[in-house]
Amino acid sequence: DTAVSQTPKYLVTQMGNDKSIKCEQNLGHDTMYWYKQDSKKFLKIMFSYNNKELIINETVPNRFSPKSPDKAHLNLHINSLELGDSAVYFCASSTHSLGLYEQYFGPGTRLTVT
Amino acid sequence: LAKTTQPISMDSYEGQEVNITCSHNNIATNDYITWYQQFPSQGPRFIIQGYKTKVTNEVASLFIPADRKSSTLSLPRVSLSDTAVYYCLVGDTSSGTYKYIFGTGTRLKVLA
Repeated sequence: DTAVSQTPKYLVTQMGNDKSIKCEQNLGHDTMYWYKQDSKKFLKIMFSYNNKELIINETVPNRFSPKSPDKAHLNLHINSLELGDSAVYFCASSTHSLGLYEQYFGPGTRLTVT
Repeated sequence: LAKTTQPISMDSYEGQEVNITCSHNNIATNDYITWYQQFPSQGPRFIIQGYKTKVTNEVASLFIPADRKSSTLSLPRVSLSDTAVYYCLVGDTSSGTYKYIFGTGTRLKVLA
């Protein structure tokens, strides 16, 4: 059983489009995250949700909007895609927030904006 | 804001011990230090976590000096399958809000 899953694995789209990436965890964790990994492999947190509530919202464009329908799901919607949005996006989950508890990462979604 | 820096890359031979250091000058007082391993086309995977002194588990050791401004991940007797990118992760509250800061990552290449 996959602990943290993401769909799609690959996403190729044109500038200006709107797209969503879905994430689901079956670990019973309270906290979920979205990270962006750029072409230089730098990992940066974007958002964190705890029990469906936003607790970390880093400086990202407001074109990015996370949505958590329940604590097992955290989706990422991106409006008006730009070339600079091309990256690998990772979803992760952990038992608690506000502290460095072990995080379980999904396989990533490679987004390519042309 | 915490700056976490690591060597860009390291090469080692099978069977050797590898030590990777992460510098985190502004780590908050009560933060843990966590290390992750990432293989190509996969998400990062937890290796080890510690607060101070030394922590050891079945795959690695983590050394943290008293000032906690750095940490060293030690991989004993590496094998080819340890070739990966290694990241440290610390928390920082210096800006008034809690932030997770990943290190710059160290690409380890294990040679036969």
